[in-house]
Amino acid sequence: NAGVTQTPKFQVLKTGQSMTLQCAQDMNHEYMSWYRQDPGMGLRLIHYSVGAGITDQGEVPNGYNVSRSTTEDFPLRLLSAAPSQTSVYFCASSPTSSEAFFGQGTRLTVV
Amino acid sequence: AQSVTQPDIHITVSEGASLELRCNYSYGATPYLFWYVQSPGQGLQLLLKYFSGDTLVQGIKGFEAEFKRSQSSFNLRKPSVHWSDAAEYFCAVETSYDKVIFGPGTSLSVIP
Repeated sequence: NAGVTQTPKFQVLKTGQSMTLQCAQDMNHEYMSWYRQDPGMGLRLIHYSVGAGITDQGEVPNGYNVSRSTTEDFPLRLLSAAPSQTSVYFCASSPTSSEAFFGQGTRLTVV
Repeated sequence: AQSVTQPDIHITVSEGASLELRCNYSYGATPYLFWYVQSPGQGLQLLLKYFSGDTLVQGIKGFEAEFKRSQSSFNLRKPSVHWSDAAEYFCAVETSYDKVIFGPGTSLSVIP
């Protein structure tokens, strides 16, 4: 089973560029979320979705957009990358109120 | 606002010693509580979870945690630490609408 797949694993962007981080899960989970992990700050919730067509903001949504057109996919879009968005990004999926399954992460550097 | 605190940024223990990692949360109702572990360069793996019932929960790898409502705490324990337990540990709280909030993490080092 693939579980949660994130692509790419590594990315370097120039300030002002846009890009999309991909996240796909094959477990038919309704809930998906995006986190960013920064040293000393743990994981902070960016956006989450409780099902196809439904998304909501987390703790740090500014500068990021999401959409959920299918149950399987939950892409995260950076509209205009900034150095402050340099981080490791994790996508997670879960059935209702249960264990979250995490992807392996995307390490993003914005120069 | 909901929040999770882990007072210890870094803990060092000797192999074979006991371990307790602290977690406190702020939430109006009884939350769902989780402990996750992250090995270097890896994603997070669930150690254990508390939803309701017995306040002492058992997890994988010999870990347990105790929910104390009066103290808003959910501390993680292990009676004898192994070198392979060295990792980052995160406490998490699931609040309404399935939002999961993580604490800042505690880094565990194990001395052989």
